[in-house]
Amino acid sequence: AQSVTQLGSHVSVSEGALVLLRCNYSSSVPPYLFWYVQYPNQGLQLLLKYTSAATLVKGINGFEAEFKKSETSFHLTKPSAHMSDAAEYFCAVTWMDSSYKLIFGSGTRLLVRP
Amino acid sequence: DTGVSQDPRHKITKRGQNVTFRCDPISEHNRLYWYRQTLGQGPEFLTYFQNEAQLEKSRLLSDRFSAERPKGSFSTLEIQRTEQGDSAMYLCASSLGGQGTWQFFGPGTRLTVL
Repeated sequence: AQSVTQLGSHVSVSEGALVLLRCNYSSSVPPYLFWYVQYPNQGLQLLLKYTSAATLVKGINGFEAEFKKSETSFHLTKPSAHMSDAAEYFCAVTWMDSSYKLIFGSGTRLLVRP
Repeated sequence: DTGVSQDPRHKITKRGQNVTFRCDPISEHNRLYWYRQTLGQGPEFLTYFQNEAQLEKSRLLSDRFSAERPKGSFSTLEIQRTEQGDSAMYLCASSLGGQGTWQFFGPGTRLTVL
């Protein structure tokens, strides 16, 4: 069965510091992996996705993630945090031969300190 | 740019009442998904349509939940005899078949059952 684990329900960084949000997945078939961001009382916005092409994926707002099959990880990074990055971040997995339904992790809330 | 829209954005109801939510997907998207998100959790898959056909339902959906997409365009999600445990954010997403891994989310409907 496919699943996603996000380590750390809350991550706090200073403005300008590196952002690292961790995601590990479990999948018996080649996965497609996603990061979504959610601002309060809003829906989810796609940050980036991995679909078996380049393992280093660049997304919007300066975020990127690297797919590491050997570590079953897809961690999200940003070199320099901005106050506007404060939000909830969700990692999700799906796979072919399915409805492409997304299986989400429980989320990581990013706090950015001035 | 017309994204996924949902109506209403907020719904407060009393236990035992029926509620119906509407989702309008991106116009050319043939796949439509419903998810439920409870506080502090990631979204959970509820059901999925390809055109007007409902192809998969989660075990989360009891017989009080029903969804339709009668003409393959907008969709409705109905909850009958609401319970306090139904309080959640209900999210709709749509995608284009063949590129089914891209899901675009609406802003969600927040349901509060008193």
